[in-house]
Formats: sequence, C-alpha cells, structure tokens
Amino acid sequence: QSALTQPRSVSGSPGQSVTISCTGTSSDVGGYDYVSWYQQHPGRAPKLMVYDVSERPSGVPDRFSGSKSGNTASLTISGLQAEDEADYYCCSYADNTRVVFGGGTKLTVL
Amino acid sequence: QVQLVESGGGVVQPGRSLRLSCAASGFTFRNFGMHWVRQAPGKGLEWVAVIWYDGSNKYYIDSVRGRFTISRDNSKNTLYLQMNSLTAEDTAVYYCARDRSALHYFDYWGQGTLVTVSS
Repeated sequence: QSALTQPRSVSGSPGQSVTISCTGTSSDVGGYDYVSWYQQHPGRAPKLMVYDVSERPSGVPDRFSGSKSGNTASLTISGLQAEDEADYYCCSYADNTRVVFGGGTKLTVL
Repeated sequence: QVQLVESGGGVVQPGRSLRLSCAASGFTFRNFGMHWVRQAPGKGLEWVAVIWYDGSNKYYIDSVRGRFTISRDNSKNTLYLQMNSLTAEDTAVYYCARDRSALHYFDYWGQGTLVTVSS
C-alpha cells in the first residue's frame, strides 16, 4: 500500500500562490473523486481543508482550492499568509475499501 | 461542538498489548463511521482502520490486520483500538477521526495519543 507522492517541500512569499501536487494511480486518485487535503501545524491534529477533490468545508478560506487531472490531484493556496505555513497531506479513497495518504509537503512562507 | 478525545497511550514493551479509547461528544456518534489514523514521530499520516457506524464492517491496513481490532460501543459514545503483538514500527501518535461519506474524508480529528513501543 504505497503512499501517494507529494513534493517534500514548497515555498512562497506572502501574497503569492503555491501548488502542491499529489500523484497516485488509477486505483486511488485516478479512480475516484474522493481526494481530500489536510493541514497540520506542528504538534496539532490535522485539519480538513478540501474534500471530494475541490469542495471546501465551511470556515476554510477560498484561498484554498483543489483540482484533479488523471492520477494527479493538486492543492493551490493563493494569497499566501504566514499562518499557512504548515504540513499538507493529500488523501484518497482506494480500491478494496482503503484509504491512502501522501507523504506530506512542508509549506514554508518566506 | 464535536469533540474527540483519545486516551490509553503510553510506553509498552514489544510483543505486549494496549487498548486505545476515543470518547466522542457533540454529535450523534452512532450515525458515523470512525477511523484510527497514526503518525510515527517525524513522519506522515497513515490510515490504520475504519469501523462502520453500526460496527457491521471493519477494514484495516495490511500491516496491522490480525494484530489490531477496531470496535465501538455506541451506548458509551466510544471508539476503541485493541493493539496486540506490538512492535517498534507501531510507535506513533494515534488519532481517531470521524468518517464522512464512507471513507471519502475525515471531518473531525482528536488531539491524538502517543504510543511508544520500546523495551
């Protein structure tokens, strides 16, 4: 059960946009529109930011957006703010009633 | 408001057992599936197991199947994870999380409980 592939780190300056990719296979990301993204600050529990590829829970700023093309999903954060600095994890439903996470991406706001 | 509070973590020797609990409040527990997700120190998130809202179905990651058992008591609004034959690779913070739409995503998470397997 391999993890989804994410870049280890990305960075951007305040106000800029960054995109985090998440690559899987046809058995997970490519096969289902059930990709979600979680933000985790150090020492804290993960927080849901995007679900079902591109839906945002109430309370999550519209600066966070999700998309998918084939076996790769993406999270774009526009208008970067200092508080966006955190680890981000993608997650997908997978064949045989499983859930698989990405390895995580550390976002640094310069 | 939704609250999930894990307990039961600690230091345990390899080969021994431990039971984690997750007390739920602020929502109708019996209506939701529940998951355990773990995070080894300095590592990423790893899904461990899920149990259906009524306990009728349970699914596990390969590495814990046969050693871990997920269960729930809807009368007590509590989720459990019985962990047997523990190894160092099971050392992690264990989070419980509420399921939405049958494994599509997790909308609420607990604060986690640390399990350390060491002699």
